Amino acid sequence: DAMVIQNPRYQVTQFGKPVTLSCSQTLNHNVMYWYQQKSSQAPKLLFHYYDKDFNNEADTPDNFQSRRPNTSFCFLDIRSPGLGDAAMYLCATSRRFEVGEQYFGPGTRLTVT
Amino acid sequence: AQSVTQLGSHVSVSEGALVLLRCNYSSSVPPYLFWYVQYPNQGLQLLLKYTTGATLVKGINGFEAEFKKSETSFHLTKPSAHMSDAAEYFCAVSVWNTGTASKLTFGTGTRLQVTL
Repeated sequence: DAMVIQNPRYQVTQFGKPVTLSCSQTLNHNVMYWYQQKSSQAPKLLFHYYDKDFNNEADTPDNFQSRRPNTSFCFLDIRSPGLGDAAMYLCATSRRFEVGEQYFGPGTRLTVT
Repeated sequence: AQSVTQLGSHVSVSEGALVLLRCNYSSSVPPYLFWYVQYPNQGLQLLLKYTTGATLVKGINGFEAEFKKSETSFHLTKPSAHMSDAAEYFCAVSVWNTGTASKLTFGTGTRLQVTL
């Protein structure tokens, strides 16, 4: 089945130690999104790629970076994780001209110790 | 800009009872409206969507929602709740953007509890 895969599902990192979360998709969608979701809150969009074009949300901290080396893969890098960055990180994809219908991966739960 | 308001952060119903989750939206242009469901430690899954046309839309797992422009509402209903419906439900709005990817604006979510 075509899908969005996120690895790892659970990630523990130390305060200030860089961490990378990965997302891959077999849907061949043009758009990939990264969301941060804290407990009992709605997902918050960090940034998205429209093909190779990177689009950062205005309030996304500089500590968060992303790479998309090809259509299938997208990475979220947190350069210096703080305790406040502990959250579920969700990757999603959509087709180029699809409005609002996004396909989500299962998420990576990040713990910062 | 668009926004979504979900009334009730927690809703509890008995198994077999009607489920009603409320959503109101604000949009300066014709909205596209969505309900997503999130089970514990999972990503979001699309339940149903309204784009244009028929205002009563049916989704997966027996859910449906009705777009009421005059009330700026998009409430989610299911005639008979099942234990497996226990989850977090997010209402979301999006609009068409020429040449760029669309974004979802989510409501704050409603946690549905189903009791025996």
